[in-house]
Amino acid sequence: DAKTTQPPSMDCAEGRAANLPCNHSTISGNEYVYWYRQIHSQGPQYIIHGLKNNETNEMASLIITEDRKSSTLILPHATLRDTAVYYCIVRSNDYKLSFGAGTTVTVRA
Amino acid sequence: NAGVMQNPRHLVRRRGQEARLRCSPMKGHSHVYWYRQLPEEGLKFMVYLQKENIIDESGMPKERFSAEFPKEGPSILRIQQVVRGDSAAYFCASSLQGQGTSYEQYFGPGTRLTVT
Repeated sequence: DAKTTQPPSMDCAEGRAANLPCNHSTISGNEYVYWYRQIHSQGPQYIIHGLKNNETNEMASLIITEDRKSSTLILPHATLRDTAVYYCIVRSNDYKLSFGAGTTVTVRA
Repeated sequence: NAGVMQNPRHLVRRRGQEARLRCSPMKGHSHVYWYRQLPEEGLKFMVYLQKENIIDESGMPKERFSAEFPKEGPSILRIQQVVRGDSAAYFCASSLQGQGTSYEQYFGPGTRLTVT
């Protein structure tokens, strides 16, 4: 699976949108972009995934660039409960999720 | 709709004892995965099982660790003769489908094993 690069940390004000970038320049055509998050001491939580089209669900939006070399996870109205480590994972049909260091997002009141 | 269940949530074992970690997948899910998270590290894949079959155990340590997913009952991750280095959070995930398609893995709350 392709490797991803994420900033180690970012802060966000409560109520504002949080935009989390992820670079995956070596992604191949059949690989999906997945986002999970892990709130302290809990199991990872699935957020969203996409192949090439932008995706939106009740939790977040995923914007994938046309060349698919990068993507952005958008939390539209961050709350204190969104403080977590966010993982961007690229995978094809392989069932193994590979968790890197992720981005530690701190939402501040 | 109950999520992935894991028990116990916390487990303390002395060196040399056995640890048994249980995982009940989401209803209707027949694919189970175990991951381990050492302190201050990301999750690492250990093993993938379907009912009565081990599909991939490439992430399992060669000795002392075993996993099963019987026809009836939860999946079990068993660690024999635990050592301090086994102290970690062990997470189970399940999915509706396996290889060959896009799908989500849903994780349980984890079991925190402490070896004293």
